[in-house]
Amino acid sequence: AQTVTQSQPEMSVQEAETVTLSCTYDTSENNYYLFWYKQPPSRQMILVIRQEAYKQQNATENRFSVNFQKAAKSFSLKISDSQLGDTAMYFCAFMKGNTDKLIFGTGTRLQVFP
Amino acid sequence: DVKVTQSSRYLVKRTGEKVFLECVQDMDHENMFWYRQDPGLGLRLIYFSYDVKMKEKGDIPEGYSVSREKKERFSLILESASTNQTSMYLCASSPRAETGTDTQYFGPGTRLTVL
Repeated sequence: AQTVTQSQPEMSVQEAETVTLSCTYDTSENNYYLFWYKQPPSRQMILVIRQEAYKQQNATENRFSVNFQKAAKSFSLKISDSQLGDTAMYFCAFMKGNTDKLIFGTGTRLQVFP
Repeated sequence: DVKVTQSSRYLVKRTGEKVFLECVQDMDHENMFWYRQDPGLGLRLIYFSYDVKMKEKGDIPEGYSVSREKKERFSLILESASTNQTSMYLCASSPRAETGTDTQYFGPGTRLTVL
């Protein structure tokens, strides 16, 4: 069975600084996808970034980038130039092949301070 | 924009009551999901539906059932609510992953309290 571990329940960062959220996963699969989802306070969960396991290049979306280390089964999220609107719960998630189902980590609560 | 709506943001029910949580999506997605979200446990899949009238158990189906009579609507049913079902319930929808798009779109959530 696959598992996803987020070892940082809470983190904080000052506005304009950079922060990295950690995620590790366990799988014996070769074909899988990894995701970071963001859940702002009292707002809907949205996708931040997605990575295909077969791609060596790390995914990037504006200020958000990942460090995907396949051998180490690590998938960290880096947020550059943090903004107050980045304050949210962040969930790392795993999808095996084309199974449609996500396995989520326990989340990291990020607080951005002015 | 994809829109996933849930019938209530907050719900308070009594132990033993039958509870219906409704979810509607407007993007013609094949897949729909029900999760519960608890502090320190993340999101856990209760049930998954990949087509009308089709359903599959998730990781924690005990005490729950689902209904999908129309493609756009997926209902979660608590046959006899218990206090340990107090939680945030999130609905999501997605196209089939084989289409090349696997992003799940979430509703705003229903915070259910069972007294």
